[in-house]
Amino acid sequence: DAKTTQPNSMESNEEEPVHLPCNHSTISGTDYIHWYRQLPSQGPEYVIHGLTSNVNNRMASLAIAEDRKSSTLILHRATLRDAAVYYCILLPINSGGSNYKLTFGKGTLLTVNP
Amino acid sequence: SQTIHQWPATLVQPVGSPLSLECTVEGTSNPNLYWYRQAAGRGLQLLFYSVGIGQISSEVPQNLSASRPQDRQFILSSKKLLLSDSGFYLCAWSVGTSYEQYFGPGTRLTVT
Repeated sequence: DAKTTQPNSMESNEEEPVHLPCNHSTISGTDYIHWYRQLPSQGPEYVIHGLTSNVNNRMASLAIAEDRKSSTLILHRATLRDAAVYYCILLPINSGGSNYKLTFGKGTLLTVNP
Repeated sequence: SQTIHQWPATLVQPVGSPLSLECTVEGTSNPNLYWYRQAAGRGLQLLFYSVGIGQISSEVPQNLSASRPQDRQFILSSKKLLLSDSGFYLCAWSVGTSYEQYFGPGTRLTVT
């Protein structure tokens, strides 16, 4: 299975942008890049996903390198509520339904300073 | 709107005692259901998933079992708990071929 590499931790200041990197050099052409985050003592929540093009939603933006070997989750203005562990996960393109089995690594612990 | 419930929120059980954790989903039909476990200091591990009533797939061999007696109900059980069963248990659901998976609030289990 394709693996991802993320920094163990990052720090940011409130209301500043945050760029969370993820390396996935062995990604296959059919792998989607997903991001989830887990706030303290809560279950993970879906953030965003993409295949090749950059993606935006109300929570974040996902920038995908042209060769797809890396991606960056962008929080445009960090808030204290964004302090969480962020997970970058690869899923094959046909992973809907019964094959949608998330494999969580250690993720990146984001600390947001007031 | 869809919601997912788990209970109990916390549980302390002695080694060798039985376990039953329940998860229910509201507001959707025929969801895919999942049980994950997060041991202290470790990542989330998928334990079981189900695509329909009575259909259970196990990802990790262990002394836990899962059942789906109703469309929107998923139960995690054990006949005899081990110390290593301690952790944060999360239920999740998805629908059809949607890539988004939604997690419940979790049950924190401590086996003593």
